[in-house]
Amino acid sequence: DAGVTQSPTHLIKTRGQQVTLRCSPKSGHDTVSWYQQALGQGPQFIFQYYEEEERQRGNFPDRFSGHQFPNYSSELNVNALLLGDSALYLCASTPRVSSYTGELFFGEGSRLTVL
Amino acid sequence: DQQVKQNSPSLSVQEGRISILNCDYTNSMFDYFLWYKKYPAEGPTFLISISSIKDKNEDGRFTVFLNKSAKHLSLHIVPSQPGDSAVYFCAASGQGSQGNLIFGKGTKLSVKP
Repeated sequence: DAGVTQSPTHLIKTRGQQVTLRCSPKSGHDTVSWYQQALGQGPQFIFQYYEEEERQRGNFPDRFSGHQFPNYSSELNVNALLLGDSALYLCASTPRVSSYTGELFFGEGSRLTVL
Repeated sequence: DQQVKQNSPSLSVQEGRISILNCDYTNSMFDYFLWYKKYPAEGPTFLISISSIKDKNEDGRFTVFLNKSAKHLSLHIVPSQPGDSAVYFCAASGQGSQGNLIFGKGTKLSVKP
């Protein structure tokens, strides 16, 4: 049973470029959340998708956008990259209809470096 | 302003002894608290959680205590093992905010043989 998978694992971009990160949720999960973890910080919530729509959003600018596909996989897009966007981007999945305990299943992350 | 705070960046403990990791929060509307463990080059993995209606939850060597009046929770690991060495994150969520966890900055635990 595959867990949450993310790609790419590492990438380097320059300021002003655009990046797309991809995530496949754990089997049986239909809800995907994205987090940004800067160096020395805890993960920070970006947004959450289920039923192919953004349902919740954290305090991130519109440069951060996403998409969810019918197979529940998801993409995170960041436009006009800034140096401060350098971070580990984590995808997490959960079944929406469940006895919710708050547990999220995280992927290993995509480490983005902006030069 | 941080809503979830882990004031100790690091903790070193001898193998077999107790590890106590602390976490404070400011938002009284949080109704679930969780601990995650993170090894280098891996994503965070869920460890244990507690509902705001409880004051203790135990799972094997791991126990989480919640003191709502003090807005404080702690994770106890007994006995500590070298494999427990990792970064531990405290997280909280509010009602209707499933999937939106507020994380602390983490505490790096080192368990020495």
